[in-house]
Amino acid sequence: GQQLNQSPQSMFIQEGEDVSMNCTSSSIFNTWLWYKQEPGEGPVLLIALYKAGELTSNGRLTAQFGITRKDSFLNISASIPSDVGIYFCAAKAAGNKLTFGGGTRVLVKP
Amino acid sequence: EAGVAQSPRYKIIEKRQSVAFWCNPISGHATLYWYQQILGQGPKLLIQFQNNGVVDDSQLPKDRFSAERLKGVDSTLKIQPAKLEDSAVYLCASSYNEKLFFGSGTQLSVL
Repeated sequence: GQQLNQSPQSMFIQEGEDVSMNCTSSSIFNTWLWYKQEPGEGPVLLIALYKAGELTSNGRLTAQFGITRKDSFLNISASIPSDVGIYFCAAKAAGNKLTFGGGTRVLVKP
Repeated sequence: EAGVAQSPRYKIIEKRQSVAFWCNPISGHATLYWYQQILGQGPKLLIQFQNNGVVDDSQLPKDRFSAERLKGVDSTLKIQPAKLEDSAVYLCASSYNEKLFFGSGTQLSVL
């Protein structure tokens, strides 16, 4: 079946840093979505991507749909403490169900 | 705009008991999903409805899990009987234009 490999599994951020995470697969997708989940809540949609090469921003977040249609990345610029949470990529091929990656846990550096 | 509503938020049961979760999707969203999210993992699709018809239930353990969406709006997910490994968060989502919007989930603990 379709599998999404998300990396890194976890990362520490320091306020003001730019951070990046990505999602790769051996399968081709038509839609990529990025979600953030905080404890006790459902995932919240951050960015939706529909075309290969598409680069979309939402505030300090920027995501790109890879040219090969097999990958996507999410960047957070000038991170702040409330960026802590788990970020999930999700992708869908035409007519297929949405598949989720394993998540990237973003934590604050002690 | 109201989001996806789920209840209850938490449920604790003993193994072999039954449990039911309820979901009310965003108004006008024809597609409704139930996902299972085990601690430390991404959500896994259990069942997808389009209006009141099932589109995909290939990963639903049908010997113990059932779901219905009789009038094409609200949905219920039932587990009977529950096993220890069913402990997870059960998320309901509805979608518009390929974008899924999730509820807060029901956290189930099976003891």
